[in-house]
Amino acid sequence: KAGVTQTPRYLIKTRGQQVTLSCSPISGHRSVSWYQQTPGQGLQFLFEYFSETQRNKGNFPGRFSGRQFSNSRSEMNVSTLELGDSALYLCASSLAPVGQINEQFFGPGTRLTVL
Amino acid sequence: TQLLEQSPQFLSIQEGENLTVYCNSSSVFSSLQWYRQEPGEGPVLLVTVVTGGEVKKLKRLTFQFGDARKDSSLHITAAQPGDTGLYLCAGSPYNQGGKLIFGQGTELSVKP
Repeated sequence: KAGVTQTPRYLIKTRGQQVTLSCSPISGHRSVSWYQQTPGQGLQFLFEYFSETQRNKGNFPGRFSGRQFSNSRSEMNVSTLELGDSALYLCASSLAPVGQINEQFFGPGTRLTVL
Repeated sequence: TQLLEQSPQFLSIQEGENLTVYCNSSSVFSSLQWYRQEPGEGPVLLVTVVTGGEVKKLKRLTFQFGDARKDSSLHITAAQPGDTGLYLCAGSPYNQGGKLIFGQGTELSVKP
């Protein structure tokens, strides 16, 4: 089975621009979550989508948004980029938490640099 | 706010030594995962522990979930240079879907 894929792998933008990142989950996985990873804050949860609906959201400003399509692929968008948005953005997919199990499988990430 | 405190943050040891990484919280989690991340890549799932007191072994790695489901540990026996990487614990809060709370990570370096 193919793993989680993310495009693009690297991105350089300037302040004020917007960016869209894409994630294709493992076939059959219906839940997609997004995380931001920085050296100072570690991995922080952005949001989770399940069956095209946002099921959970982390503590990020409204400039961060996402969506999920009927084929479970997901995109996240960051508008009005700030220098502090420079990070590795990770997408993870799971079958969907079953009872207590919440095993997530991560993609390689998109490295975003804001200049 | 649910937090996971992971320690130590950095660990540099010689090949053949043993080590333990700790993950502690004041919150109860429905399950807890351990991941390993290499530079420039996403985290790779090592193990999931679900039951309080559960112990799982993966070759030289032993994972334990605390009885109260608030803490976990990762023990590596006879570390090898190939074990070098960032180790992350992640807790799954109750009734919060796919959300994971991550510890800050332990940067492990094993020197030959």
